[in-house]
Amino acid sequence: NAGVTQTPKFQVLKTGQSMTLQCAQDMNHNSMYWYRQDPGMGLRLIYYSASEGTTDKGEVPNGYNVSRLNKREFSLRLESAAPSQTSVYFCASSESGRAVGYTFGSGTRLTVV
Amino acid sequence: AQTVTQSQPEMSVQEAETVTLSCTYDTSESDYYLFWYKQPPSRQMILVIRQEAYKQQNATENRFSVNFQKAAKSFSLKISDSQLGDAAMYFCAYRRGGSEKLVFGKGTKLTVNP
Repeated sequence: NAGVTQTPKFQVLKTGQSMTLQCAQDMNHNSMYWYRQDPGMGLRLIYYSASEGTTDKGEVPNGYNVSRLNKREFSLRLESAAPSQTSVYFCASSESGRAVGYTFGSGTRLTVV
Repeated sequence: AQTVTQSQPEMSVQEAETVTLSCTYDTSESDYYLFWYKQPPSRQMILVIRQEAYKQQNATENRFSVNFQKAAKSFSLKISDSQLGDAAMYFCAYRRGGSEKLVFGKGTKLTVNP
């Protein structure tokens, strides 16, 4: 099915470890996003990419890096994981210039111990 | 900065009844879009309904409708004939025209009682 694919779905890390969350979309969308979801906090934007080759910080970028590898793929990297980064992470994509809402991936539940 | 407020952390409704979820937003823009997303226990985010600010007519999608009060900056979601499958977290979201970013409220957890 067309959509946004995130991997992995679940991950447990030890404090200080690094990892990359992968995201790919096959809808030819220009814009891609990474959000984190925490209880009682809603979804908060970490980073976004309005087009291939560009990335911008969102509301909570500290501790994360991103790479827009090509039009399809947008990865999120945690260089040195901290317990405060325990969260559910969502990747999303959308068409540029049209407020049609996002298409979301199924999320990654990350636990940092 | 734009903010989205959902004042009801939790709501409950009896099956087949009607429930309204509240959302208010703060913006000085005239061009913007509003959305309601549903997140069932599966965690998947599903777009329920969207509303363009320039449209006076309230959006409707089957049993879901909105009450868009632009002057009051209010965007409530009405679910009619509630079903067990409507049980989920519901998020209100705002997007300024020309912006790539979607700003979410903190969500309302809806329980549907049989």
